[in-house]
Amino acid sequence: DMKVTQMPRYLIKRMGENVLLECGQDMSHETMYWYRQDPGLGLQLIYISYDVDSNSEGDIPKGYRVSRKKREHFSLILDSAKTNQTSVYFCASSRGGGGAETLYFGSGTRLTVL
Amino acid sequence: AQRVTQVQPTGSSQWGEEVTLDCSYETSEYFYCIIWYRQLFSGEMVFLIYQTSFDTQNQRNGRYSVVFQKSLKSISLVISASQPEDSGTYFCALSEASSSFSKLVFGQGTSLSVVP
Repeated sequence: DMKVTQMPRYLIKRMGENVLLECGQDMSHETMYWYRQDPGLGLQLIYISYDVDSNSEGDIPKGYRVSRKKREHFSLILDSAKTNQTSVYFCASSRGGGGAETLYFGSGTRLTVL
Repeated sequence: AQRVTQVQPTGSSQWGEEVTLDCSYETSEYFYCIIWYRQLFSGEMVFLIYQTSFDTQNQRNGRYSVVFQKSLKSISLVISASQPEDSGTYFCALSEASSSFSKLVFGQGTSLSVVP
């Protein structure tokens, strides 16, 4: 079953707390992504990972970092979360080398930072 | 600056009608790809159709097709015989050869409602 799984689905944190969003995929995809979605802005790329320990900044990396120690697992970390990081976060994966049509998305994590 | 623009924040249609959703984009690359996704109310993103800059014909996938106007950097998604199940938010996304097609730049989305 081809699937991208995100945990948790909903999360509420206070400003200044650390946040860990987790993403897993069972397709052995090389490339994984973290996006955030805000009303009126569509999805914005935070980080992209081309494989284990091969991560690259996206368009809005500030305030975020990522970790990929296993191919099937990609984490997004917010150190000292800020209220403007309240958003819906999507993880996605694809086969290596592009093929945008084969991007698989998780169901999203709705993060609220109070 | 927004590189992918969907100027219609919302749209509506009646059951059975044809729906057209517009998207424009900015790129200086010769080889690129435009992909359309639909986001379900659950948040899940579903791939619909894609068109590359090298395609000489408008692509079609079931009830979905596109009208690609390369010189205008414009592409429209056409949904034939729309159904209430087609309701959701539609995103177009730009993918370029310079990033090995690994990065997608999304538009703001168009929220479509199809009523019986």
